[in-house]
Amino acid sequence: DGGITQSPKYLFRKEGQNVTLSCEQNLNHDAMYWYRQDPGQGLRLIYYSQIVNDFQKGDIAEGYSVSREKKESFPLTVTSAQKNPTAFYLCASRDLGRPNTEAFFGQGTRLTVV
Amino acid sequence: KNEVEQSPQNLTAQEGEFITINCSYSVGISALHWLQQHPGGGIVSLFMLSSGKKKHGRLIATINIQEKHSSLHITASHPRDSAVYICAVNTGTASKLTFGTGTRLQVTL
Repeated sequence: DGGITQSPKYLFRKEGQNVTLSCEQNLNHDAMYWYRQDPGQGLRLIYYSQIVNDFQKGDIAEGYSVSREKKESFPLTVTSAQKNPTAFYLCASRDLGRPNTEAFFGQGTRLTVV
Repeated sequence: KNEVEQSPQNLTAQEGEFITINCSYSVGISALHWLQQHPGGGIVSLFMLSSGKKKHGRLIATINIQEKHSSLHITASHPRDSAVYICAVNTGTASKLTFGTGTRLQVTL
C-alpha cells in the first residue's frame, strides 16, 4: 500500500543535541512538507520541497535543516539552534501534477527534548 | 487574526447527534481540505473541496466560496468519530496548506 512512513514515533533527546526525523513516501509524489504542531495551534510549515535537490523555507525554518537527495525521502534535522524543539512533527506529501488533490500525512513523530 | 478560523474549538455530543463544525477563511483559495486527527496523532484526509458539496458515508462537507465558509457535518455520530477535525486551505502557492487550529470532538455513549 502506498503511503508515508515517519520514524520513530517517539523520540527523546538531550538539550543541545541534533536529531534527525525520517520521512519516506512511496506515492511517487513530487512535493514533500514538514509541519510542526503545538498545543492550541494549527500546523505550521517548517520546510517544503517540490523536486529532488531543492527545498524552500517555510514559516518557521529557523533551527531546522532538511535534505532531498531522493524523491522518496525528506529527512528533517532539528538542530541545537532550535530554541523550543519539543513538539509533534508531521510529514506530508502531494502530487504536484494534480495540485488540488488531497495531501497525505505520516503518523507523526513526537519529539521531547530534556 | 488567523487566516483560517474554526468553530467550535471543542465539542461534546451524545451518540446519534448531528454535528456541525465550521471553518471560515480570509484569503483566496483554490481548495479547502477537511482532515481528521486521531489521538495517536496521524492525520487522514476526509475531503478536498473547491465548490459545492461532497458526501462520504456519514460525513458531508460543504463550501460557499462567496462567503469564504465551509462546514463539516457528521450524521448519526458515534464514539469512533471522536477526533480532532482540522480545516486547511490551499492558497495555490507551491501547493502549501494553511491550517486552522482544529475542533476537538468527543462523542459519548
